[in-house]
Amino acid sequence: QQQVKQSPQSLIVQKGGISIINCAYENTAFDYFPWYQQFPGKGPALLIAIRPDVSEKKEGRFTISFNKSAKQFSLHIMDSQPGDSATYFCAASKTNDMRFGAGTRLTVKP
Amino acid sequence: KAGVTQTPRYLIKTRGQQVTLSCSPISGHRSVSWYQQTPGQGLQFLFEYFSETQRNKGNFPGRFSGRQFSNSRSEMNVSTLELGDSALYLCASSLRQGWTQYFGPGTRLLVL
Repeated sequence: QQQVKQSPQSLIVQKGGISIINCAYENTAFDYFPWYQQFPGKGPALLIAIRPDVSEKKEGRFTISFNKSAKQFSLHIMDSQPGDSATYFCAASKTNDMRFGAGTRLTVKP
Repeated sequence: KAGVTQTPRYLIKTRGQQVTLSCSPISGHRSVSWYQQTPGQGLQFLFEYFSETQRNKGNFPGRFSGRQFSNSRSEMNVSTLELGDSALYLCASSLRQGWTQYFGPGTRLLVL
């Protein structure tokens, strides 16, 4: 049972553009929402995370927007760069349980 | 602080064989989770160990098993390998269950 739905599956963005990846969750008990970035041949690395008591968190060019009532959260990458080309995973977590989205393959064209 | 380490990094086996993968978590982390990643399949959760006990298990056959030692190091075993077991196997550690997971580089298993 997929508890975290991620879209789109793949995304192509021009350099300097904004990349937006969306996730939706079902279980309202989730209380921690991290995003991971994975480059080919590497394990996923924590990028940014948010808790549901805030609606937005920004770290550099990366921003998480969180909508608790809609049970949705998204990752925005501003001024996307070719070096951002990777697979991005959203996740939702509660005690004893972390669920991942299916991943989004982002390609930033120069 | 050293990150999560996994050994071996690459492995080639033949069908029917068994394999054991090892994971050393970040120092102080007591929770270790294992994932299987195949192209287009995302991260498929295998199981999670905390304090030497399996706390969660994903939807994988009994050929997949694991254990955790008192020093939090973990091993994963796959018996009677099948071609479909070819994948990147990732280990992730966290301080506690449900907290931020930190991934290792993975073990790439190829079953011929």
